[in-house]
Amino acid sequence: AQKVTQAQTEISVVEKEDVTLDCVYETRDTTYYLFWYKQPPSGELVFLIRRNSFDEQNEISGRYSWNFQKSTSSFNFTITASQVVDSAVYFCALSEARGGNKLVFGAGTILRVKS
Amino acid sequence: DGGITQSPKYLFRKEGQNVTLSCEQNLNHDAMYWYRQDPGQGLRLIYYSQIVNDFQKGDIAEGYSVSREKKESFPLTVTSAQKNPTAFYLCASSIGSYQETQYFGPGTRLLVL
Repeated sequence: AQKVTQAQTEISVVEKEDVTLDCVYETRDTTYYLFWYKQPPSGELVFLIRRNSFDEQNEISGRYSWNFQKSTSSFNFTITASQVVDSAVYFCALSEARGGNKLVFGAGTILRVKS
Repeated sequence: DGGITQSPKYLFRKEGQNVTLSCEQNLNHDAMYWYRQDPGQGLRLIYYSQIVNDFQKGDIAEGYSVSREKKESFPLTVTSAQKNPTAFYLCASSIGSYQETQYFGPGTRLLVL
């Protein structure tokens, strides 16, 4: 069965620190997609990235970067030089090829960035 | 501007009452979804629809019902059979229904009086 684990319930950092959010997944499928979403205090989920299981290249987008490692079933998210506006709940999610478009979410990691 | 709207932002339900949450999208997406979020937990899928006049149960469909009469609209009814309805409800849509990115609305918070 598919499962997503975000072991860090809450992380607090000081502005300008780098922070990594961990995501470990379980799936029996060889074809799947991984996602990261951000949920600011307003509540709406904001899409950050989608990565398919055949593309293990790391990705960088501004201060955000993602490290996908199939060998350890992990898809970690790093924020460089964190800012107060990065404070939010971050969710990792998995979609299996056989599951249609069903997303399975981790429990989320609360990130607090203090000035 | 294209997007997903949900209304109302807050909704109060009395015991034994059915309430309906609205979800509308103008993105011309085929697929729509309803998720429930409880404190400290991730989102769980209630129902989804891949095409007009068709929908499937998700992981926690008991006590809920949906309809998909129009492509743009996917209302969710929380029935009196749902014994613990207090939660944050999020609607999403995607272009297609095969591993496409889902985009979310602003959510509706349902509280029981």
